[in-house]
Amino acid sequence: SYELTQPPSMSVSPGQTASITCSGDKLGDKYACWYQQKPGQSPVLVIYQDRKRPSGIPERFSGSNSGNTATLTISGTQAMDEADYFCQAWDSSTVVFGGGTKLTVL
Amino acid sequence: QVQLQESGPGLVKPSETLSLTCTVSGGSITSYYWSWIRQPPGTGLEWIGQIYHIGSTNYNPSLKSRVTISVDTSKNQLSLKLSSVTAADTAVYYCARTGIAAAGTPYFDHWGQGTLVTVSS
Repeated sequence: SYELTQPPSMSVSPGQTASITCSGDKLGDKYACWYQQKPGQSPVLVIYQDRKRPSGIPERFSGSNSGNTATLTISGTQAMDEADYFCQAWDSSTVVFGGGTKLTVL
Repeated sequence: QVQLQESGPGLVKPSETLSLTCTVSGGSITSYYWSWIRQPPGTGLEWIGQIYHIGSTNYNPSLKSRVTISVDTSKNQLSLKLSSVTAADTAVYYCARTGIAAAGTPYFDHWGQGTLVTVSS
């Protein structure tokens, strides 16, 4: 079965850029989505179809996907961006999620 | 603004069937795909399956033999049944509105608040 791999955790200083990666075999040939989940809350879609932002998502969130890696980039990271981030793709008619990355802003 | 609300028993005994309902308000259930996703405590997300209002479904292969997802368009509800549950099925269960992007890729743009289901005797 298809697998997506994310680093379990990462940290970033306020105002800096956070780049969260998601790796999978030939992931660049598929489309990736990203979700933000804060403690005790439901996930929120922040990027779909590699780089599209849903309405209401700040412009500091952007996405890219090439080769074996999709990347969620948060520019000018704010304290409110501290959360778990999950990538997602579609393979063989099955939705696959990455294991999630806990982003700490400090 | 579409809203989703999951409901159902919070405690299910091992070997029994887990049954949940998701009520959709603020929009018609006939306009989108709809999915169930679960999250065991402290871990990541697992897709269970999706349905379109005409009844076409896709299920996670790892759960397919135990899962049934259905839609009641008259009530604007979707439902989930998971049979022969074990402690490993303990999780927060979410329903989600599902958009379809390029290459048929689903994405989940509206989520319910989730409901915790514990499997225990």
